[in-house]
Amino acid sequence: GAVVSQHPSRVICKSGTSVKIECRSLDFQATTMFWYRQFPKQSLMLMATSNEGSKATYEQGVEKDKFLINHASLTLSTLTVTSAHPEDSSFYICSARTGTGANTGELFFGEGSRLTVL
Amino acid sequence: AQSVTQPDIHITVSEGASLELRCNYSYGATPYLFWYVQSPGQGLQLLLKYFSGDTLVQGIKGFEAEFKRSQSSFNLRKPSVHWSDAAEYFCAVAPLGGFKTIFGAGTRLFVKA
Repeated sequence: GAVVSQHPSRVICKSGTSVKIECRSLDFQATTMFWYRQFPKQSLMLMATSNEGSKATYEQGVEKDKFLINHASLTLSTLTVTSAHPEDSSFYICSARTGTGANTGELFFGEGSRLTVL
Repeated sequence: AQSVTQPDIHITVSEGASLELRCNYSYGATPYLFWYVQSPGQGLQLLLKYFSGDTLVQGIKGFEAEFKRSQSSFNLRKPSVHWSDAAEYFCAVAPLGGFKTIFGAGTRLFVKA
């Protein structure tokens, strides 16, 4: 099956710094990637949809200037948390679709990145 | 509005016992339906999916799910639970064309010896 890799799996940073999380599709081209945020013991909250070569589409309530998303190639999307604060601490998960067609609903998930802001 | 409901926040079953996790959805038409499993600190893994056809779908790790249109349900089952099945389980739906997936709140499964 399709493999999605996220890096780093864990990151600790100081308040006010920026952190970049990478999401790569290893064996397929991902035209669309999704970024989710998951709070402890809660479900996944979709933050934004990232389309290769175009601007990301952010969900209501998500600050696009704080959570910068770049999808520069068909195999890489990045999420940068700018000027991070403790309330940004969370588990961030990316997912990807393999393209159009009947199976477009299936998502392939990265391993997740645990961000802790001190 | 589209929604997914998993009524049980957590369930505890004995190892070897059968399991059923409930999922109900609200959507104008039959969507694509999925069950994902998440181990602590990990991403999500697809257990099974339903697009069309046979309403009883088989997945990995011995799981199956049955789509019941009349009840708008897609319950996950396993005849005999193993300790390694302890995890968080998410039901999800995606509209035809599958653009934006909606997840249920999840059900935490505990397995006791």
